[in-house]
Amino acid sequence: SYELTQPPSVSVSPGQTASITCSGDKLGNKYACWYQQKPGQSPVLVIYQDNKRPSGIPERFSGSNSGNTATLTISGTQAMDEADYYCQTWDSSTNVFGTGTKVTVL
Amino acid sequence: QVQLVQSGAEVKKPGASLKVSCKASGYTFTDYYMHWVRQAPGQGLEWMGWINPNSGGTNYAQKFQGRVTMTRDTSISTAYMELSRLRSDDTAVYYCTIAADGSYMSHFDYWGQGTLVTVSS
Repeated sequence: SYELTQPPSVSVSPGQTASITCSGDKLGNKYACWYQQKPGQSPVLVIYQDNKRPSGIPERFSGSNSGNTATLTISGTQAMDEADYYCQTWDSSTNVFGTGTKVTVL
Repeated sequence: QVQLVQSGAEVKKPGASLKVSCKASGYTFTDYYMHWVRQAPGQGLEWMGWINPNSGGTNYAQKFQGRVTMTRDTSISTAYMELSRLRSDDTAVYYCTIAADGSYMSHFDYWGQGTLVTVSS
């Protein structure tokens, strides 16, 4: 079955850039999206179709997808960005979520 | 505005069944596939499957086939997810969610608030 692998954790200083990777076989040939989830809350879509931002999502969130890796970048990270982040794609009509990355803003 | 409102928390015994509801509002219920995703305590997101509210057609993740049934009642814009033969590792928050572009293979724009299900003897 298809798998998406993320680093368990990423630490970033306020104002700096955080990059979260999501690796899967030929992931660049599929659409990837990203969700932010804060404790006790439902996930929120932050990036879809590799690099599109839903309405209301700050411009500091951006995405890319090429080869075997999709990347979520948070520029000028703020304390409010501390959360778990999950990538997602589809393979053979099956939805797949990444393993999740905890972003800590130190 | 789109809203997905789920039923309340439940405690179940091993071997029992659970049925979670998800009432949709703010859009035409039959326009978008309804998906179910669960999250065990401290763990990641796990997709369970979808139902086409228009036709009633379903597609379940292989892991849950034979144990999960997704249904809907279009008259009250409500989707249901039933999971049988519960085990302790079914303890999780269960979410309903929709992809608002009409595709069954897409990103999830709207989520319910989640329903905590605890399986314990």
